[in-house]
Amino acid sequence: TQLLEQSPQFLSIQEGENLTVYCNSSSVFSSLQWYRQEPGEGPVLLVTVVTGGEVKKLKRLTFQFGDARKDSSLHITAAQPGDTGLYLCAEGGSARQLTFGSGTQLTVLP
Amino acid sequence: EAGVAQSPRYKIIEKRQSVAFWCNPISGHATLYWYQQILGQGPKLLIQFQNNGVVDDSQLPKDRFSAERLKGVDSTLKIQPAKLEDSAVYLCASSLVRGPTYLYGYTFGSGTRLTVV
Repeated sequence: TQLLEQSPQFLSIQEGENLTVYCNSSSVFSSLQWYRQEPGEGPVLLVTVVTGGEVKKLKRLTFQFGDARKDSSLHITAAQPGDTGLYLCAEGGSARQLTFGSGTQLTVLP
Repeated sequence: EAGVAQSPRYKIIEKRQSVAFWCNPISGHATLYWYQQILGQGPKLLIQFQNNGVVDDSQLPKDRFSAERLKGVDSTLKIQPAKLEDSAVYLCASSLVRGPTYLYGYTFGSGTRLTVV
């Protein structure tokens, strides 16, 4: 079973700061998805990365997939309170199942 | 497009009692998943259905958990008897069948928060 490690576990920053969270695996990802989960809600898909070295941008969010496809990062520029939530990475397996990391709990203070 | 509907939103029961959760996936989504999310952790797959058949239930504690998806649409997850460690959010998700995982994402419901006291 592939283990996904996310770091940091908790992150509290001031509005306007930049931040990066990480997702690492012991083996190669077939594909990787990033989700954001707000309190009392289910995770919502942000992006899917498939190709090693791939970079995707979603407004102030930049997602990068490592060249060896064993790690990924999410960078947020000028964080806003609305970015607060649990950020989860998930690996897509051949059975169309997702294996999730334990998440990074981000709090952006106004 | 309507989302994945789950009920109830919250449930508090005593240990050894039974409880059931209901999920209605997005129309046309053949694949349905139940995940358990313990506080501070990521979701963990319990069971996967495709239409009304079970694809994977290897992580479902079958001595106390059961799930069914009659007619390939709605699904129910039951716990009997509940234990303290079953306290968690139970998430239902659905997805289209076509293509490998990376061509689509899951759509999750809002979950049922279960507290066992």
